[in-house]
Amino acid sequence: SQQGEEDPQALSIQEGENATMNCSYKTSINNLQWYRQNSGRGLVHLILIRSNEREKHSGRLRVTLDTSKKSSSLLITASRAADTASYFCATDALGETSGSRLTFGEGTQLTVNP
Amino acid sequence: KAGVTQTPRYLIKTRGQQVTLSCSPISGHRSVSWYQQTPGQGLQFLFEYFSETQRNKGNFPGRFSGRQFSNSRSEMNVSTLELGDSALYLCASSSTTGPDTQYFGPGTRLTVL
Repeated sequence: SQQGEEDPQALSIQEGENATMNCSYKTSINNLQWYRQNSGRGLVHLILIRSNEREKHSGRLRVTLDTSKKSSSLLITASRAADTASYFCATDALGETSGSRLTFGEGTQLTVNP
Repeated sequence: KAGVTQTPRYLIKTRGQQVTLSCSPISGHRSVSWYQQTPGQGLQFLFEYFSETQRNKGNFPGRFSGRQFSNSRSEMNVSTLELGDSALYLCASSSTTGPDTQYFGPGTRLTVL
């Protein structure tokens, strides 16, 4: 089952604008990762934020994590047409006895119009 | 380093057949996980292998199985295919088992007719 819920499900913006996507999850986590997927292809890893971190930056990406609210946000600044893709959050739950299993949100479809 | 590779990229099978998908992780990575992606269910975890041992298993029927070889390459097998098995099957590798960045391959698109 999907642990995460992403909001909005779809987002359409103009090139140069900022895009913000939100993710909520249900259980305590070790970390939260954001991935991008273009047209049903493989997932591209964007950023990982650990449960003891509150904010992380990578290039035009800014991720925040609020473990008290069990939520995260991904901000893409100065968007480009090439950013058009589906974006997924994935959590690695705390307390797994062994191994790793990511639980994915339903994704946000971002369209950046030139 | 080369990324995660998956073969074949596309596959068409008929109901009742079986299929084997292959995944080669990033060099040096010992953990391989498999995920199924469908429009209805989204991305769902199938299983994870580390050092040839299954470490974690998702909620899929026994028709879905996997294995990992000593060189960390992994295969997953689906027997007695059903129409609902049509999906994108994604493989991910990680340098360790446990919570860490997972790097995904391009996927195998399986269509069951």
